[in-house]
Amino acid sequence: QKEVEQNSGPLSVPEGAIASLNCTYSDRGSQSFFWYRQYSGKSPELIMSIYSNGDKEDGRFTAQLNKASQYVSLLIRDSQPSDSATYLCAVYTSGTYKYIFGTGTRLKVLA
Amino acid sequence: DTAVSQTPKYLVTQMGNDKSIKCEQNLGHDTMYWYKQDSKKFLKIMFSYNNKELIINETVPNRFSPKSPDKAHLNLHINSLELGDSAVYFCASSQVRGQVNTEAFFGQGTRLTVV
Repeated sequence: QKEVEQNSGPLSVPEGAIASLNCTYSDRGSQSFFWYRQYSGKSPELIMSIYSNGDKEDGRFTAQLNKASQYVSLLIRDSQPSDSATYLCAVYTSGTYKYIFGTGTRLKVLA
Repeated sequence: DTAVSQTPKYLVTQMGNDKSIKCEQNLGHDTMYWYKQDSKKFLKIMFSYNNKELIINETVPNRFSPKSPDKAHLNLHINSLELGDSAVYFCASSQVRGQVNTEAFFGQGTRLTVV
């Protein structure tokens, strides 16, 4: 079992729709969870961080964390063509000194 | 004012050569990392340093030697380059705050091509 799993996609959604990206992780002791966006040829940039169970909203983005189910998701409302990128889920466990990344989900927003 | 900067951005070299990638962060973070991203976009940890001390060496061949002269710098030297070393290498830094770690900030990446 991979430590952090994501569907590789591509996930195609029409402009204006909600894009839903999912991630599961194996280490029950993980405390810090992150969503990064990576455009082709660029470095990963942080979209959202979440540390507690529940929802966290920032503009068009909502991160959801369920530690009991070991599940993190990212919702993008009113998707725009500029949201087309690879979205990376990352998990950090205190004391490990490493972020474990999923393989990323490629999102395509169709105009 | 770039937070994490690495040089060079592109590196094309022949098999067997030795090359170095430099990384500097001005965020005051205690922890720095090297990640390798393969052609399928998978980001894999190679090394992490905390306050200049090596914490993680994630089964990386010993042709790869990181060096941290101070906590703001983490360089990567690669000996005897092989075709399979071709990838994008990212430097990153972060700050631990108690039990919770804040996000990692990434450099712009170094695309290494071995021919």
